[in-house]
Amino acid sequence: GAVVSQHPSWVICKSGTSVKIECRSLDFQATTMFWYRQFPKQSLMLMATSNEGSKATYEQGVEKDKFLINHASLTLSTLTVTSAHPEDSSFYICSARDPRDPGGNEQYFGPGTRLTVT
Amino acid sequence: AQTVTQSQPEMSVQEAETVTLSCTYDTSESDYYLFWYKQPPSRQMILVIRQEAYKQQNATENRFSVNFQKAAKSFSLKISDSQLGDAAMYFCAYRTDYGGATNKLIFGTGTLLAVQP
Repeated sequence: GAVVSQHPSWVICKSGTSVKIECRSLDFQATTMFWYRQFPKQSLMLMATSNEGSKATYEQGVEKDKFLINHASLTLSTLTVTSAHPEDSSFYICSARDPRDPGGNEQYFGPGTRLTVT
Repeated sequence: AQTVTQSQPEMSVQEAETVTLSCTYDTSESDYYLFWYKQPPSRQMILVIRQEAYKQQNATENRFSVNFQKAAKSFSLKISDSQLGDAAMYFCAYRTDYGGATNKLIFGTGTLLAVQP
């Protein structure tokens, strides 16, 4: 199956700094990627849909100026948490659709990035 | 708007036994997809099984099968011959068939499955 990677797998940053998380599709080109946030023992909350070559579509309540998404190529989307605060500490997961999938319906998930803001 | 409900926050099963996880959803659409994802302690999301709404036949993947009741908007997951490695959080998810590539998944709140040796 399709493989999606994330980097870093975990990161600790100080309050007020920015941190960038990368999501890569390793063996396919993904025109669409998704960014999720997950708190402990909770479900995945979709933050935004990232479209290659265009602006991301943010879900209601997600601050687009705080969570900057850039989908500059067909294999890479980045999420930058700007001016991070302790409440931004969470597990961030990306996923991508593989257009080669005959059903075109599955999202392949990255392993996630644990962000801790001190 | 579509919603997905998992009414069992936690379940437990003995090794080698069978367990069924419940999921209901609400939609006014006729064409959609339903999924069960597994999230083990590593937190890597793994697709367990998927069901196309237009298919009457219930999907099966080895020890995993679903009971899809479209009229009742129910989509339960049955795990047979449970193994220790099945212990994980299980999420039910819905995806519309409309809107093309940007269709998003709508997740339920999850069921934490424990497998007792």
